[in-house]
Amino acid sequence: EAGVTQSPTHLIKTRGQQATLRCSPISGHTSVYWYQQALGLGLQFLLWYDEGEERNRGNFPPRFSGRQFPNYSSELNVNALELEDSALYLCASSQRADTQYFGPGTRLTVL
Amino acid sequence: GESVGLHLPTLSVQEGDNSIINCAYSNSASDYFIWYKQESGKGPQFIIDIRSNMDKRQGQRVTVLLNKTVKHLSLQIAATQPGDSAVYFCAETLSGNTPLVFGKGTRLSVIA
Repeated sequence: EAGVTQSPTHLIKTRGQQATLRCSPISGHTSVYWYQQALGLGLQFLLWYDEGEERNRGNFPPRFSGRQFPNYSSELNVNALELEDSALYLCASSQRADTQYFGPGTRLTVL
Repeated sequence: GESVGLHLPTLSVQEGDNSIINCAYSNSASDYFIWYKQESGKGPQFIIDIRSNMDKRQGQRVTVLLNKTVKHLSLQIAATQPGDSAVYFCAETLSGNTPLVFGKGTRLSVIA
């Protein structure tokens, strides 16, 4: 069974641009979670989608947004990129609301 | 490789020894706990979980202990191998209602 997949693997943007990151959950999983892993800060919760709706949001500004599609895949959009947005962005999926399985991440670099 | 923190606590163990990684969790109401392993350049990998109605759970070469009185979680790895070298995170949640909250992580270094 395929695990969580994310694309792209790496993304390089400049300040002020927009970034779009994508995630495909494990087949049968309806929940998708996004986390930011910045250097020295561990994993910080960003967004949680379930059945197409946003269920919870972490302490991040509104320029971090996303959506979940009918096939349960998800997109994370980051507008007006800032240097401190450089991080590894991890997507996780779950069938229940608790056991989450992670993808390999997208490394976003903002120059 | 991937660096997940400049100031992570580090545990160095000899190959074949047992490892114990500790975690203090924050919310006394949390009722579900997970240990993840993150190797360099990869996403976190699920290792083992435990619910608050248990104080011990065993898997293959790993054991998780939960002490709710002092809000402490530990991961024991038996006969540690070089492939166990990674950063280990504990995570807590209130089942079904809150997203996972992760600890800061511990870097395990296995000396061959």
